[in-house]
Amino acid sequence: DAEITQSPRHKITETGRQVTLACHQTWNHNNMFWYRQDLGHGLRLIHYSYGVQDTNKGEVSDGYSVSRSNTEDLPLTLESAASSQTSVYFCASSESGVRPEQFFGPGTRLTVL
Amino acid sequence: AQRVTQPEKLLSVFKGAPVELKCNYSYSGSPELFWYVQYSRQRLQLLLRHISRESIKGFTADLNKGETSFHLKKPFAQEEDSAMYYCAPSQGNLIFGKGTKLSVKP
Repeated sequence: DAEITQSPRHKITETGRQVTLACHQTWNHNNMFWYRQDLGHGLRLIHYSYGVQDTNKGEVSDGYSVSRSNTEDLPLTLESAASSQTSVYFCASSESGVRPEQFFGPGTRLTVL
Repeated sequence: AQRVTQPEKLLSVFKGAPVELKCNYSYSGSPELFWYVQYSRQRLQLLLRHISRESIKGFTADLNKGETSFHLKKPFAQEEDSAMYYCAPSQGNLIFGKGTKLSVKP
């Protein structure tokens, strides 16, 4: 069955370290998204991609970067982790087209000490 | 500016009672509207979208363009409905509300 996975599921790191969160989907979806989920803020869009080599900034992109070298993967990199980036991160994917349903990964809980 | 508001952070009802989760949006044009749900320890999943006009797990949502609202309703809440609910308009990418936690007590 097609699915979307994230790794690691839990990560503890220190301030200033570079961290990469992986997202892999086997739906063959063109669109992929990264969100962070925080109490009182809901889900906020970090970055998104509509296809290979395409990346775009979302609402809260500062301190994060993504790259899309193939259809299946959209890794999220925190260049220099900050305590404010402690959060739960969700990856999602969707087909191309007009406002399609997004399918979410299980999430990665990141703690920055 | 595009904005979506879910005024209740927490909604607590007893089993069998009606439930309404409110969602108001402020958009230019006509966004498509979605409700996503996150059950405990599970990933977010689509509950329903207004364009399909379906009833999923007994939930319905009516788009009121005049009031710019898309409230989620269920006539008789069940304990398994306890979850986090997010309203999400879209004119391209989804914009999620802050969510309402529904707690259905036995």
